[in-house]
Amino acid sequence: AQSVTQPDIHITVSEGASLELRCNYSYGATPYLFWYVQSPGQGLQLLLKYFSGDTLVQGIKGFEAEFKRSQSSFNLRKPSVHWSDAAEYFCAVGTFIQGAQKLVFGQGTRLTINP
Amino acid sequence: NAGVTQTPKFRVLKTGQSMTLLCAQDMNHEYMYWYRQDPGMGLRLIHYSVGEGTTAKGEVPDGYNVSRLKKQNFLLGLESAAPSQTSVYFCASAGGYGANVLTFGAGSRLTVL
Repeated sequence: AQSVTQPDIHITVSEGASLELRCNYSYGATPYLFWYVQSPGQGLQLLLKYFSGDTLVQGIKGFEAEFKRSQSSFNLRKPSVHWSDAAEYFCAVGTFIQGAQKLVFGQGTRLTINP
Repeated sequence: NAGVTQTPKFRVLKTGQSMTLLCAQDMNHEYMYWYRQDPGMGLRLIHYSVGEGTTAKGEVPDGYNVSRLKKQNFLLGLESAAPSQTSVYFCASAGGYGANVLTFGAGSRLTVL
């Protein structure tokens, strides 16, 4: 069965600093990988996704992620964070059953931004 | 464009009471999902539906029932609520066969005393 691990429960960075959020997955086949962001009291918003092809994928809000098959990782990065990036971030691996995308989520990483 | 709408947003129940959460989407999506979110556990799939009149179990289905009588609505029911069902519930939907992006609602916070 597939699983996702986000090793960091909580990360604090200063505004303007770079950011990397870690994600490791377990899945036998080529994975569909996602990063979602959840602002306080809100639903989840898709940041980016990887299905195939270029292993470096660009997303919204200046985020990018790199798929590394050898390390089973899909880490999220941003060169310079803004105070509005404070949120909870979820990595997910997806499979299809009867055409339906089923997501397995990691535990989430809460990002705090220091001014 | 409302997207995915969940009602109610907040609810407090006593143990043993029943209730229904309603999810409505206006995007003509085929697939709908119910997830629960608990601290430190991410989101876990409760039930999902691949079309009107269909339902299927997810990862944590026990204690919940669902119905998809109309394509745009997906109901999540708790027949006899337990404190372990205190959680934030998220509904999501996705377009057609192979659709790979889920659109989430804003969530419904349920507390069972």
